[in-house]
Amino acid sequence: EVQLLDSGGGLVQPGGSLRLSCAASGFTFNNYAMSWVRQAPGRGLEWVSAISASGGTTYYADSVKGRFTISKDNPKNTLYLQMNSLEGEDTAVYYCAKGGLSVADYFTYWGQGTLVIVSS
Amino acid sequence: DIQMTQSPSTLSASVGDRVTITCRASQSISSWLAWYQQKLGKAPKLLIYKASSLESGVPSRFSGRGSGTEFTLTISSLQPDDFATYYCQQYNSYSPWTFGQGTKVEIK
Repeated sequence: EVQLLDSGGGLVQPGGSLRLSCAASGFTFNNYAMSWVRQAPGRGLEWVSAISASGGTTYYADSVKGRFTISKDNPKNTLYLQMNSLEGEDTAVYYCAKGGLSVADYFTYWGQGTLVIVSS
Repeated sequence: DIQMTQSPSTLSASVGDRVTITCRASQSISSWLAWYQQKLGKAPKLLIYKASSLESGVPSRFSGRGSGTEFTLTISSLQPDDFATYYCQQYNSYSPWTFGQGTKVEIK
């Protein structure tokens, strides 16, 4: 059974940093692209970042480019999102999502989400 | 970026109704479209991929159609468990992947 366990969210001040983690199990992690998708309170879904199966290629939404870094530790079956220079607009539930064999794919499974609140 | 526009934003329906949600892309995305269901406080769940392929385990009352720029999700007979928000997502061009704004299906 595929499981994705998001963690690392919390309350952080504007300008601060946070690292999110997503522990994956139930599938061959190093064969699949992964993404982070966020949802601000009461709003829709917004794709944030994606990484290829090998971890060698990364993609970012313009809204987070230069501030967020996605990485994938295949031996540990864990996806990360390092978030720096956080802003109020980054307040959201962050979900990790399992992609396909190709990075250009839909999202088959989602984690339960972890809440990030950026506030002073 | 490819923009995805869903209609309606909210849909009021009764159990047993046939409901249809429309999703339009700002440019052709072939059949690279997925549909998700999200219940309050929960993660999205994949329903349909490649515009019309039903994800394993999803009830057959859900169906998807379309190609190019216009797509529909139909629930043939609405069940109590189906009251939720539905999102379309294009994956024709990555970076960025884009979602529709969502359609909330509520009880009439």
